[in-house]
Amino acid sequence: EPEVTQTPSHQVTQMGQEVILRCVPISNHLYFYWYRQILGQKVEFLVSFYNNEISEKSEIFDDQFSVERPDGSNFTLKIRSTKLEDSAMYFCASSGGLAGVNEQFFGPGTRLTVL
Amino acid sequence: AQSVTQPDIHITVSEGASLELRCNYSYGATPYLFWYVQSPGQGLQLLLKYFSGDTLVQGIKGFEAEFKRSQSSFNLRKPSVHWSDAAEYFCAVSHMEYGNKLVFGAGTILRVKS
Repeated sequence: EPEVTQTPSHQVTQMGQEVILRCVPISNHLYFYWYRQILGQKVEFLVSFYNNEISEKSEIFDDQFSVERPDGSNFTLKIRSTKLEDSAMYFCASSGGLAGVNEQFFGPGTRLTVL
Repeated sequence: AQSVTQPDIHITVSEGASLELRCNYSYGATPYLFWYVQSPGQGLQLLLKYFSGDTLVQGIKGFEAEFKRSQSSFNLRKPSVHWSDAAEYFCAVSHMEYGNKLVFGAGTILRVKS
């Protein structure tokens, strides 16, 4: 069964460093998303991406964040200068295959720890 | 603004007992409704979804949920809980009118006692 994959599973970085979180969405999906979950809190939407551009972004998704689909399979989230409060689990999701655009399939997440 | 409320932060049930997790939403239109489950340190697994039609939907692992438009609710139920059901459950809503992003509730942690 096709699934969304994410790498790395855990990333530790120093405050101020750049990090890139990687995702491989399900191959025939066209819509891609990033969400984050700070420990003990709800899952929050960051950004959606379709047709090689951002469709929507939340207030959280400020200039420190960017997304890219560098090739036909990967979808990345870059944080330019990490802050302590960026420590969270980051989930990638995709939709748009046979299940339709409305059903999002989530990856296992990347736990980002900023020291 | 769109919002989802899960009023119970924690619920403890005995193995074999029935379960109901509550979810209420506030949305401009009838949204698409979802329940996800998350085991500790794991990702989000879709249990079931409602888009339209029959208001009682069946999902995986023996779960079901009922959409009640008049109450803006989408409660999750299971007739007999197993110890392996212990996890955190998230209700979520979306609608293409609002860009199709998922808006999640705060989650309900289910503990199962033997």
